[in-house]
Amino acid sequence: EPEVTQTPSHQVTQMGQEVILRCVPISNHLYFYWYRQILGQKVEFLVSFYNNEISEKSEIFDDQFSVERPDGSNFTLKIRSTKLEDSAMYFCASSLASGSYEQYFGPGTRLTVT
Amino acid sequence: DAKTTQPTSMDCAEGRAANLPCNHSTISGNEYVYWYRQIHSQGPQYIIHGLKNNETNEMASLIITEDRKSSTLILPHATLRDTAVYYCIVRVESGGYQKVTFGIGTKLQVIP
Repeated sequence: EPEVTQTPSHQVTQMGQEVILRCVPISNHLYFYWYRQILGQKVEFLVSFYNNEISEKSEIFDDQFSVERPDGSNFTLKIRSTKLEDSAMYFCASSLASGSYEQYFGPGTRLTVT
Repeated sequence: DAKTTQPTSMDCAEGRAANLPCNHSTISGNEYVYWYRQIHSQGPQYIIHGLKNNETNEMASLIITEDRKSSTLILPHATLRDTAVYYCIVRVESGGYQKVTFGIGTKLQVIP
């Protein structure tokens, strides 16, 4: 069964450093998303991406964040200058299209900022 | 989007049916009921969705009341691996992307 994959599973970085989290969505999916979950809190939407453009972003997704689909398979989230409060699980998701709310999530990347 | 109310936590004995309720009394006619779950430290997982009719797939059954103001997710034979937080979400299906807005959900503990 096709699945969303994410790398790395765990990333430790120092405050102020740049990190890139990588995702490979399901191959025939057209919509891509990033969510995050701070430990013990709700899963929060960050950004959605379609047709090489951001469709929607939350207030969390400020100028420190960017997304890219550099080739036909990868979808990346970059945090330019990490802060302690960026420590969280980051989940990538993808969906087929046409308004389906059925999204498939990856296993997540645990980001620890020290 | 209509608001949903779920119990904070529930227990279920292994091998028994787990019945997870959800109230959505302000649901509108074109809103679907979706269920996701999140097993500890894993990504959320889509389970099932429905509009009016009851739905069943390999994971679960969804029973929606006739007035659509509430629904029940049924895991017919709960296993320890079904221990997770279950989220009930109502949402209009429309074209294009749609972010999933997660609430607090119901923490289901399956007990041996």
